[in-house]
Amino acid sequence: GAVVSQHPSWVICKSGTSVKIECRSLDFQATTMFWYRQFPKQSLMLMATSNEGSKATYEQGVEKDKFLINHASLTLSTLTVTSAHPEDSSFYICSAPRASLQHTEAFFGQGTRLTVV
Amino acid sequence: AQTVTQSQPEMSVQEAETVTLSCTYDTSESDYYLFWYKQPPSRQMILVIRQEAYKQQNATENRFSVNFQKAAKSFSLKISDSQLGDAAMYFCAYRNFGNEKLTFGTGTRLTIIP
Repeated sequence: GAVVSQHPSWVICKSGTSVKIECRSLDFQATTMFWYRQFPKQSLMLMATSNEGSKATYEQGVEKDKFLINHASLTLSTLTVTSAHPEDSSFYICSAPRASLQHTEAFFGQGTRLTVV
Repeated sequence: AQTVTQSQPEMSVQEAETVTLSCTYDTSESDYYLFWYKQPPSRQMILVIRQEAYKQQNATENRFSVNFQKAAKSFSLKISDSQLGDAAMYFCAYRNFGNEKLTFGTGTRLTIIP
């Protein structure tokens, strides 16, 4: 079963409103989570690193005031798209690394398709 | 910064045949990890195979194997006995040792011909 749950799977919102996307690690704690954006038929672009208990680290070119990230607990990170506009329409994916004895593996949420109308 | 390049936007293969997807990367690091991820139409990212750069032996996972050429910075994925369920986007990805950030290639769309 899924070890990282992302909600909602899709959302349609009006231009100018804000949308919150949740990413939960289900059976492990994640001090770090990652948020990616994927345009149609394109690759995943890292937007930011979500750090539990501290500020997120944003990649170059990503507006931190537009994409608010909160990592309030060891199992939950949220991405809020503020004052959304049609150009923010995209597929957003979160991931959380889970460590085992041998290695660390990234687990991905199911993704959220955001459509801003 | 690290970069990952997949030069094949689309590939197709006959069912039960073998196909190889190409990936090259650029890094100045000596310790890192390489991955192939599969993204089916559901958009769920699924790990196919991983390779630690310090290991000379190529990773294999059932029908999936890689050809890792560290000096050439090449990391191709071979899928043997292709099945209809293998149809998906395949992304090559890079990760530095000690860092959880993934850098993805642009992807290869694989079509399986029945």
